[in-house]
Amino acid sequence: GAVVSQHPSWVICKSGTSVKIECRSLDFQATTMFWYRQFPKQSLMLMATSNEGSKATYEQGVEKDKFLINHASLTLSTLTVTSAHPEDSSFYICSARRGWEVGGYNEQFFGPGTRLTVL
Amino acid sequence: GQNIDQPTEMTATEGAIVQINCTYQTSGFNGLFWYQQHAGEAPTFLSYNVLDGLEEKGRFSSFLSRSKGYSYLLLKELQMKDSASYLCAVLDSNYQLIWGAGTKLIIKP
Repeated sequence: GAVVSQHPSWVICKSGTSVKIECRSLDFQATTMFWYRQFPKQSLMLMATSNEGSKATYEQGVEKDKFLINHASLTLSTLTVTSAHPEDSSFYICSARRGWEVGGYNEQFFGPGTRLTVL
Repeated sequence: GQNIDQPTEMTATEGAIVQINCTYQTSGFNGLFWYQQHAGEAPTFLSYNVLDGLEEKGRFSSFLSRSKGYSYLLLKELQMKDSASYLCAVLDSNYQLIWGAGTKLIIKP
């Protein structure tokens, strides 16, 4: 199967600091990675889509200067929450999508998520 | 606008059968996914339907009717570990996943 890892699993930080979350596809090359945020008892909210080597595409309402995304290679994408505030506390999940497979479909493989708490 | 509707919460008894419905209105359609998400964890893939009909996979089955914009996830022989949220998601014409809010399934002994 396709495995996606995220690091760290959880992080607690002080308000005003920056936090970097890594997302790695361990056994496949991910042409596209997605970053989601999920608040308690709510569904996934897509924040941005990133393709390797190009700038991320942010969803409406997501501040690109606050949530910096770098998709440096086909197996690694990072999300940096800059100057984090308590309202940024959430569950951040990445997912990765392989390139198109013959007869295949567009499944996204999810990382285990990172719980961010900003004090 | 794009919209995916599924019930907020359902309750079922261990050993029974439950059907979780999902209706959608999206700009284009390239398939429908069902994911399971336990509290505090990331979603895990359950099924994918792109053609009309029923796909069976063990205790779980998923049905799709494109003309009706409708899908359901059928869970048989319910086990306590099936208590989770079940997310319906549609791949639209831009190959973006549009997510439903999820259905919280509570299993009682």
